[in-house]
Amino acid sequence: DAGVIQSPRHEVTEMGQEVTLRCKPISGHNSLFWYRQTMMRGLELLIYFNNNVPIDDSGMPEDRFSAKMPNASFSTLKIQPSEPRDSAVYFCASKDRAVGGELFFGEGSRLTVL
Amino acid sequence: AQTVTQSQPEMSVQEAETVTLSCTYDTSENNYYLFWYKQPPSRQMILVIRQEAYKQQNATENRFSVNFQKAAKSFSLKISDSQLGDTAMYFCAFMKFASGTYKYIFGTGTRLKVLA
Repeated sequence: DAGVIQSPRHEVTEMGQEVTLRCKPISGHNSLFWYRQTMMRGLELLIYFNNNVPIDDSGMPEDRFSAKMPNASFSTLKIQPSEPRDSAVYFCASKDRAVGGELFFGEGSRLTVL
Repeated sequence: AQTVTQSQPEMSVQEAETVTLSCTYDTSENNYYLFWYKQPPSRQMILVIRQEAYKQQNATENRFSVNFQKAAKSFSLKISDSQLGDTAMYFCAFMKFASGTYKYIFGTGTRLKVLA
């Protein structure tokens, strides 16, 4: 079975540009999480969807960040406008319905904002 | 609020030796789950082992085992017969499920280097 698929793997952009990161969760999983990883702050939860509905977006840094999950097989994380401090690795993870189930992570999208 | 602490930022171990990574957490919950994830240089986080808090028996997965001390809120990972491929960042994670919502808390990680 395919795992969580993220694209792009790497993105280099200039400050002020719009960035869109994409995620395809594992088929059948009903929870999806977006995390950001930096050396300084570690792994931070940005937003969490359950059955395509945002449940916890308290980690979204500010209005420049938005996330959508239009259907069970696709989610996007958008940053507009991007800033150098947004440079990080962004991970998407999905989870099945089992309460004790683990998160399955994608390979991450490394974003560099110049 | 729940917290997860990994007090060892970096560790090293000789190949074939045993190493233990520590993790402590703070919670007032009684039912929860604990995980160890491995993040190799390739970046993808992979589950190593999982422990349900209601189970007293320590989880084991091949060369990986945990020492779960619920009263002490400790969840250490033991890697036996260390291999070069075990070189990675290791993250301890706490999860609770309440009011229909999952809450995962990750530690800051321990960088493990296995030496040849």
